[in-house]
Amino acid sequence: GNSVTQMEGPVTLSEEAFLTINCTYTATGYPSLFWYVQYPGEGLQLLLKATKADDKGSNKGFEATYRKETTSFHLEKGSVQVSDSAVYFCALKNAGNQFYFGTGTSLTVIP
Amino acid sequence: DVKVTQSSRYLVKRTGEKVFLECVQDMDHENMFWYRQDPGLGLRLIYFSYDVKMKEKGDIPEGYSVSREKKERFSLILESASTNQTSMYLCASSKDRGINYEQYFGPGTRLTVT
Repeated sequence: GNSVTQMEGPVTLSEEAFLTINCTYTATGYPSLFWYVQYPGEGLQLLLKATKADDKGSNKGFEATYRKETTSFHLEKGSVQVSDSAVYFCALKNAGNQFYFGTGTSLTVIP
Repeated sequence: DVKVTQSSRYLVKRTGEKVFLECVQDMDHENMFWYRQDPGLGLRLIYFSYDVKMKEKGDIPEGYSVSREKKERFSLILESASTNQTSMYLCASSKDRGINYEQYFGPGTRLTVT
């Protein structure tokens, strides 16, 4: 089957700290992988994506690498800001056009 | 930019009422989706549609129906609202079925059923 597992939150970091949010997946075939971000009171926005093994997606200082051997797509940022406080969702899309989302990880960055 | 709009940001309805949630996208996308989002459960797919007048059940269709009369509009209907349908409802669209195409989300409708 298909599923996405994210690290449990909430995560609280000080400004300029290093961020990692773990994401692992189970999928049939070769899915595309996505990170979405949801700011308070808003819908989800695409943060980055990777469509094949070893691809690295990046945006706004965030990065994630599609690791087929470990079935992982961990989100990283070298120096977080208060404005990065949000809920982050890992997701996969399989060949059948089905999306599967993780349960989300809440991040709070304190000054 | 793709824009997905939802008719209401906040909605309060009474138990037993019929509720319509509207979603419109402006980028000629083929596919449209309705999710509900609940704390600790993430996003759960209610219904989706690959084309006008087509609909497919998602993971939790019970108590809901949908309508897609025009390509740009996808409506979610709660035939008789119940308190366990209090939730955040998110509409999304994507260009087509290709594996590379992401979903674009609307801002969400927070529905409270009293």
